[in-house]
Amino acid sequence: AQSVTQLDSQVPVFEEAPVELRCNYSSSVSVYLFWYVQYPNQGLQLLLKYLSGSTLVKGINGFEAEFNKSQTSFHLRKPSVHISDTAEYFCAVVNDYKLSFGAGTTVTVRA
Amino acid sequence: NAGVMQNPRHLVRRRGQEARLRCSPMKGHSHVYWYRQLPEEGLKFMVYLQKENIIDESGMPKERFSAEFPKEGPSILRIQQVVRGDSAAYFCASSRPGQGRVEQYFGPGTRLTVT
Repeated sequence: AQSVTQLDSQVPVFEEAPVELRCNYSSSVSVYLFWYVQYPNQGLQLLLKYLSGSTLVKGINGFEAEFNKSQTSFHLRKPSVHISDTAEYFCAVVNDYKLSFGAGTTVTVRA
Repeated sequence: NAGVMQNPRHLVRRRGQEARLRCSPMKGHSHVYWYRQLPEEGLKFMVYLQKENIIDESGMPKERFSAEFPKEGPSILRIQQVVRGDSAAYFCASSRPGQGRVEQYFGPGTRLTVT
């Protein structure tokens, strides 16, 4: 089964600074990749997804991710974060219909 | 256009009691998925259902857990004789037909606490 690994469990960042959250996947076949965000005590919201086509994917709230097949990575980036981006971020891959999630990365944005 | 609805949002049960978690999918969605978020373990798939059918329950614990998605009404995740280890956030997601490429929309979750 395909899986994802999130390399950073905690990422502190200052407001208006850029942030990158790393995700690597394991797969030798076509892969569908997702990034979800979870705000405190809330459900998951889809930030962006890669199904096929352009390797640079733009999502909501100014986030983007790049699918890199040679490095089996799908890193999430935002050029300038806000306090409101404080949340937990999950990378996920689909196995048929099941989402397999990474362990999550907690982003804490400080003023 | 309501999203996925789950209730209750918070549920407290004593050891040995039953917990019933409800999920109403988005309008037009006939596929429901349940995931569990345990402390220190992350989000794990539990079960995938379509109307009146369990498609895949490979992530469900073998005992005490069951799920259904009747022709009418919400999907129910039922946990009998709860134990402290069942304390977790349970998320429901729904989608249109079509697998893999189809986005799953998540509900706000039910946070179960077993005392």
